[in-house]
Amino acid sequence: TQLLEQSPQFLSIQEGENLTVYCNSSSVFSSLQWYRQEPGEGPVLLVTVVTGGEVKKLKRLTFQFGDARKDSSLHITAAQPGDTGLYLCAGGSGYALNFGKGTSLLVTP
Amino acid sequence: DTAVSQTPKYLVTQMGNDKSIKCEQNLGHDTMYWYKQDSKKFLKIMFSYNNKELIINETVPNRFSPKSPDKAHLNLHINSLELGDSAVYFCASSPTVQGTVSGYTFGSGTRLTVV
Repeated sequence: TQLLEQSPQFLSIQEGENLTVYCNSSSVFSSLQWYRQEPGEGPVLLVTVVTGGEVKKLKRLTFQFGDARKDSSLHITAAQPGDTGLYLCAGGSGYALNFGKGTSLLVTP
Repeated sequence: DTAVSQTPKYLVTQMGNDKSIKCEQNLGHDTMYWYKQDSKKFLKIMFSYNNKELIINETVPNRFSPKSPDKAHLNLHINSLELGDSAVYFCASSPTVQGTVSGYTFGSGTRLTVV
């Protein structure tokens, strides 16, 4: 099993602040995905990154895949309360995704 | 119209009982999965089916038996429930077995509580 370590585990910030969360592994992945999960719901796919060094933007969210394809980061600019949730990274080179333990983000007004 | 629907949403049952969770997807996807999310929010793969054929069976007790009558349905039957089975169970689907590239669509989960 390819392990994915996410940091920080918890993050509490005020509206308008910027933040970065990290996803690291000792394994190389063919692709990495980021999901957001809200309470009582299933994870929802945000982005897939496949090329080393790739940067993708989704409104105020910026995703980066490491050059060696072992790590990824998610940067949120000017966080809003609607960004609150559990952010999960996931990767796999076989038939199923392995998930990290997530970063739980709370954005307060 | 819900893409991946699971029933029931909540399930409270006594130790030793047998229960089933149903999952249906209307996306036309070939591959379906069951994941277990523990109290620390860690998601772990249990099973994967592609076109009704089992392709992944992780180290799950054989009290857990998945059944896929067709590629749109993947049900999970659990025998002799134990306290440690309490968790949220998620069904998911992907267009093909290469879900690690295309991404998964998850259901909203079934919270199982064994008392």
